[in-house]
Amino acid sequence: KNEVEQSPQNLTAQEGEFITINCSYSVGISALHWLQQHPGGGIVSLFMLSSGKKKHGRLIATINIQEKHSSLHITASHPRDSAVYICAVRVGRGGADGLTFGKGTHLIIQP
Amino acid sequence: DGGITQSPKYLFRKEGQNVTLSCEQNLNHDAMYWYRQDPGQGLRLIYYSQIVNDFQKGDIAEGYSVSREKKESFPLTVTSAQKNPTAFYLCASSTPRTSGSETQYFGPGTRLLVL
Repeated sequence: KNEVEQSPQNLTAQEGEFITINCSYSVGISALHWLQQHPGGGIVSLFMLSSGKKKHGRLIATINIQEKHSSLHITASHPRDSAVYICAVRVGRGGADGLTFGKGTHLIIQP
Repeated sequence: DGGITQSPKYLFRKEGQNVTLSCEQNLNHDAMYWYRQDPGQGLRLIYYSQIVNDFQKGDIAEGYSVSREKKESFPLTVTSAQKNPTAFYLCASSTPRTSGSETQYFGPGTRLLVL
């Protein structure tokens, strides 16, 4: 069974700091997702990666398939970035089976 | 606007009672999923459906049942056999994986509490 590990579990930073959240997984995957969950519980998809790097606004996601590792970076962090960031992976290429999730990183950005 | 709706937002269940959580999407997605979230744990897959009239068990299907009679709807029933049903339940759908940019869309969730 694939395991997804995220670090750190909790992160508190000051507004403007550069943030890095890490995700490691144990078996080969076909895709990796980064998700954002706000206090109310709603989840928003940020990125889907199968290789390389993607950027959207102040968010950057990278993946290293050989090392089985992905990072999510937030530049010029802002209090509105405070949320739980979740890494999830898809194993295999066939069908529409669900994702395997990490436990999340709870990020707090202080003004 | 397109999206996923779940109802109710909060649901209370008595011991021995079956309850059904609603999930509706107007995104025209074939694939739909039910996940359960417990404090301190990652989301876990309960059931998923690739297409109408077909569904598969996920990692923690015991005590749950689903149906997929319409493309738009994927209701989840929490039966009395589920001994620890208190959790946050999330429904999701996804764009086709063959599109090369699969995106998961999540509903707002339903919190189920046992009285």
